[in-house]
Amino acid sequence: DIQMTQSPSSLSASVGDRVTITCRTSHIISRYLNWYQQKPGEVPKLLIYDTSKLQSGVPSRFSGSGSGTDFTLTISGLQPEDFATYYCQQSYSVPPYTFGQGTKLDIK
Amino acid sequence: QVQLQESGPGLVKPSETLSLTCTVSGGSISNYYWNWIRQPPGKGLEWIGYVYNSGSTIYSPSLKSRVAISVDTSTNQFSLNLSSVTAADTAVYYCARRGRTNAFDFWGQGTMVTVSS
Repeated sequence: DIQMTQSPSSLSASVGDRVTITCRTSHIISRYLNWYQQKPGEVPKLLIYDTSKLQSGVPSRFSGSGSGTDFTLTISGLQPEDFATYYCQQSYSVPPYTFGQGTKLDIK
Repeated sequence: QVQLQESGPGLVKPSETLSLTCTVSGGSISNYYWNWIRQPPGKGLEWIGYVYNSGSTIYSPSLKSRVAISVDTSTNQFSLNLSSVTAADTAVYYCARRGRTNAFDFWGQGTMVTVSS
């Protein structure tokens, strides 16, 4: 299995801040890395696929980068609706598809 | 717009089989991979497996001995059976489509399944 390690596990920030979440994989996965946002009691929502491609309808303040084993999700100019838990997921190798453990972003 | 809806019992007894169905509407079930993903209360996401419209399947190795996923293209539904359940199988179960981007682009609303006697 490809192990996914996100850091930090939790993060406090203020509206308007720029935040970065990191995802490290145990094997090289090229650029097959996706990011999801999940708000409490809601369904995960696809934000970014293939490392840096924005899913339709996702605001441009979200961006992704990386390759190989190290990837980042950046939110530039945090909005109140961005406080949520974020998950990375690899789509390079199956089975199994694997997710990071999540990064909870809350308001400082 | 593709929509997915899970259905099935919310309570299953230990050692019994958990059975859920996902109904796909607003689009064809053909030519996509249809997945089951679960999330225990307060925890992260775990991929269970997928079925293609041809009926071919891939399962997570950790669950492979207990899982069966099937598809019925005539009704635009796919199903999950998880046998010999324990309390550790208590979770919100989601069905999701793996889109052409290889990411999970459409999700059902999720259904909470509790394993308890």
